[in-house]
Amino acid sequence: NAGVTQTPKFQVLKTGQSMTLQCAQDMNHNSMYWYRQDPGMGLRLIYYSASEGTTDKGEVPNGYNVSRLNKREFSLRLESAAPSQTSVYFCASSVGVWGASNEQYFGPGTRLTVT
Amino acid sequence: GNSVTQMEGPVTLSEEAFLTINCTYTATGYPSLFWYVQYPGEGLQLLLKATKADDKGSNKGFEATYRKETTSFHLEKGSVQVSDSAVYFCALSDPSGTYKYIFGTGTRLKVLA
Repeated sequence: NAGVTQTPKFQVLKTGQSMTLQCAQDMNHNSMYWYRQDPGMGLRLIYYSASEGTTDKGEVPNGYNVSRLNKREFSLRLESAAPSQTSVYFCASSVGVWGASNEQYFGPGTRLTVT
Repeated sequence: GNSVTQMEGPVTLSEEAFLTINCTYTATGYPSLFWYVQYPGEGLQLLLKATKADDKGSNKGFEATYRKETTSFHLEKGSVQVSDSAVYFCALSDPSGTYKYIFGTGTRLKVLA
């Protein structure tokens, strides 16, 4: 039981390059999330998927796209990377979206640097 | 809109000292409240939670009480250990808010032996 896994762990991109961050969970959770963590700003929600087949924008969606590939997998794509997207990215999952079921389990993170 | 405000760190304490990390929130509905902990180089782990007013969450000696009248969810521990050194995040989940999942900026705790 690996919980939430993310790949890659580290990535360096040049401005304008594209890449996809992968996330998978093996806990049969319905809901999945992508956050970015920046110094002094806590975690900010980029996108979330309440259930398989649905996705919704969070607080900072610009410059990103997501795909809920199936119940286990939720990917985050940067189409044209910018230095402002240098950050640590966390994927998380939960049983459900609201209330006590919203206890979220986090992956280990992807550290992305855009030069 | 929804927001979470945490006390700024870092907080430096000696082992066995009493810990309080303040957290206040603003929410349009009736949020669930959480404390997460992040150890160096790792993702966040849930520490405790409370889903309605006056609920007390507790885990590993940490406690926090959901106070609707003061919109607060302060984290406390009676006797900290060196192993408690980490960053602590207060968070809320509110389905009626524009931004439904809000984390505080985090408070770094350093415990000295």
